[in-house]
Parts: sequence; structure tokens; C-alpha cells
Amino acid sequence: DAKTTQPNSMESNEEEPVHLPCNHSTISGTDYIHWYRQLPSQGPEYVIHGLTSNVNNRMASLAIAEDRKSSTLILHRATLRDAAVYYCILLFMNRDDKIIFGKGTRLHILP
Amino acid sequence: KAGVTQTPRYLIKTRGQQVTLSCSPISGHRSVSWYQQTPGQGLQFLFEYFSETQRNKGNFPGRFSGRQFSNSRSEMNVSTLELGDSALYLCASSLGGQGTGANVLTFGAGSRLTVL
Repeated sequence: DAKTTQPNSMESNEEEPVHLPCNHSTISGTDYIHWYRQLPSQGPEYVIHGLTSNVNNRMASLAIAEDRKSSTLILHRATLRDAAVYYCILLFMNRDDKIIFGKGTRLHILP
Repeated sequence: KAGVTQTPRYLIKTRGQQVTLSCSPISGHRSVSWYQQTPGQGLQFLFEYFSETQRNKGNFPGRFSGRQFSNSRSEMNVSTLELGDSALYLCASSLGGQGTGANVLTFGAGSRLTVL
């Protein structure tokens, strides 16, 4: 099963950009990279996803390495509400497989 | 539109009992997947249903089972509960199932099960 690797925790100051890395060295050509975050006492929520090109939405940006073996979630201006556990996962095309969430990265925002 | 609804939100059971949890997906979503979340193991995939068929199953014992109805609502059942089954059980729905990698997962708030 494809897996992702993320740092256990990261810290950032409020109103500064945050770069959350994810390694997925076993990614196949048809796997999509998804990011979700889980706020305390809530289910995970979708943040962003992409296949090959960098992606932007109102919440964040996703930068995907050229070889697709790693990606970075970018929060342009962190707020205290962005403190959460961030999960990077791979979702598959044309293949039945388990969805594997790692332990994620716990992001702490310092006021 | 309404989100993913999980019931009950909280429940307490004793060892040996069985429990059934329910998940109502977003209207039009045909895939429902289930996860167990514990502090030690994180989010672990239980199984996924698409159009009433189980497409894949995680590494859990046969005490964990599920089903999906024609309206895409899904239930999971845990029989002969053990203390270690205490966890947050989450379901997620998506349009086309995990075989379509672009489809986004929408999670419910979860059902927190405590086994005494």
C-alpha cells in the first residue's frame, strides 16, 4: 500500500506562512495527493488536492515536486484557527486499495 | 446541502455487547468509507462501500462488519466488544469511491464509542 510520511509536529507564528511537507516516494502515476485537516473534536475536513500541477484554493496552496515523490501544503498566513492535525494521503485511480492516513502533522500556531 | 451525518454521536457499551453505528452520506454520494481513530494508532481504514458492495477492507478482525443500503446510507457493526474497541469511528462519503482519486472525501463528526 502506498504510504506518506510527515513530521509529527510543527510550530509557526500567527500571520506567517506555513509549509507542511509530505513524502510519498511510492506514489504511482495515477494517484492523487489529498490534504485534510482535523480540528479538535471534529472529523477531518478537506483542504486541497492535486495530481501533477501546483494547486491553489481559498484555504491553501499545494506544491507538488516534479517527480511527484513529495508535496508541500502552504498556508499563506496562519491564524490560530489553523491549529490542527494535517494529513497528507494518496487516493487512487483505477486501483482498489486501502486509504492510508499516517499520523499526520500536528500544527501549533503561536500568537 | 446537508453534510455527512453520523449517529449516535456518543455511546457507552460494556465488553461482550455489540454496537451498530449509522452514516448518512451527502446526497448523490455513492461511496462510504469507515475509519477507526484512537490516540495510539491514529486514523485506520476499516472498509469502503460503493453501490452496496464492499470494495475493500482494512486489517481488522471479522467482528467489524458493515453494509450499505440502496440509498447509500451505511451501517457498521462491531460484535463482542472489547476494551480496545473504544475509539472515535468516522465515516466519509464521496462521489465515486476511492477508485476515482480526484473525488474528495467528506467526513462526518464521528461516533465516539466507549467500552467499559
